[in-house]
Amino acid sequence: TQLLEQSPQFLSIQEGENLTVYCNSSSVFSSLQWYRQEPGEGPVLLVTVVTGGEVKKLKRLTFQFGDARKDSSLHITAAQPGDTGLYLCAGDPPGSEKLVFGKGTKLTVNP
Amino acid sequence: DTAVSQTPKYLVTQMGNDKSIKCEQNLGHDTMYWYKQDSKKFLKIMFSYNNKELIINETVPNRFSPKSPDKAHLNLHINSLELGDSAVYFCASTRMGEGTDTQYFGPGTRLTVL
Repeated sequence: TQLLEQSPQFLSIQEGENLTVYCNSSSVFSSLQWYRQEPGEGPVLLVTVVTGGEVKKLKRLTFQFGDARKDSSLHITAAQPGDTGLYLCAGDPPGSEKLVFGKGTKLTVNP
Repeated sequence: DTAVSQTPKYLVTQMGNDKSIKCEQNLGHDTMYWYKQDSKKFLKIMFSYNNKELIINETVPNRFSPKSPDKAHLNLHINSLELGDSAVYFCASTRMGEGTDTQYFGPGTRLTVL
């Protein structure tokens, strides 16, 4: 079973700070997705990365897929209270029909 | 218009009861899923259907039985509910079931077994 380890599990920061969330595995993934989940709602896709070394930017969010396609990171610049939520990474193992989800990083941005 | 809808949103019931959760997607997707999210927020796949055909059946007690009357609907029936079944259950759909497809999640059904 391929596992995705997310760190940190919890992160509480002040508005304006920068942060990075990591998603690591010892296995290769064909692609990796990042979702954000707000309380009482389902996860919503932020980005999909497919190519090793790929970097994607979504406003203040920067996503990177490791060269070996075993890890990914999410960097948020100048965090805002609206960024508060549970961030989940999900990997697509080669030849598998299901996504593997990390356990999530619960981010709280305090005003 | 809600893309993936689930009913009910909250379900509180006694141990031993049988209950169903319904899911509908209006996106025209071919593949639908049931996930279980535990109290620690870990999201784990339970079942996947593609065009009404069961594709993924994870190690789930056989008290859980999915049913897909058509490709827009995937219901989950749970028999003899146990305390450990308490969780949030999410339905999701994807266009074709491929790994790079976006998973569109429903709002979740919070099941509490007393």
